[in-house]
Amino acid sequence: DAGVTQSPTHLIKTRGQHVTLRCSPISGHKSVSWYQQVLGQGPQFIFQYYEKEERGRGNFPDRFSARQFPNYSSELNVNALLLGDSALYLCASSLDRGLLGYEQYFGPGTRLTVT
Amino acid sequence: QKEVEQNSGPLSVPEGAIASLNCTYSDRGSQSFFWYRQYSGKSPELIMSIYSNGDKEDGRFTAQLNKASQYVSLLIRDSQPSDSATYLCAVNIGYQKVTFGTGTKLQVIP
Repeated sequence: DAGVTQSPTHLIKTRGQHVTLRCSPISGHKSVSWYQQVLGQGPQFIFQYYEKEERGRGNFPDRFSARQFPNYSSELNVNALLLGDSALYLCASSLDRGLLGYEQYFGPGTRLTVT
Repeated sequence: QKEVEQNSGPLSVPEGAIASLNCTYSDRGSQSFFWYRQYSGKSPELIMSIYSNGDKEDGRFTAQLNKASQYVSLLIRDSQPSDSATYLCAVNIGYQKVTFGTGTKLQVIP
């Protein structure tokens, strides 16, 4: 079975531009989460979606938004890019195991560079 | 106080030794605990999950959880050079989010 896929792999944008990152979860997984990882740090939670509903949001500005589609794929949008948005953006999919939480499986990530 | 704390390392162990990686967390309501391995330039890979106090073994890996002490650890037996990576501890509270530590870099010396 295919794992989590993300596109594009790499992206270079200029300050002030907008970017859309895409993610397809593992077949059968209905939950998708987005993380930002800068060098030397652990992934930072941005959003979680389950069944097209936002279930959680991290401490990121409103320039960051996301959505989940009926086929459970997801997009992360970032407006008005800043140099500090340069990072590895990770998508993770999971089954929902209720209060036991969930094991997340990460895609290969999108490396975003803002110049 | 950080929500999830790990020693950044590097932790150096000789090949064949036991590597012990530690993690503490601040929220007593935490319910699920995960260890991920991340090679340089790659995305995190799930190694172990643990949900109740005690030990959980999977091959050369053992996860240990002590909720009273708010402490979770990962033991790697018979460490191999291919185990050299950054190990991320992650903690989940309910549905909303998983919080990661900054990771411990492990170096296994041949």
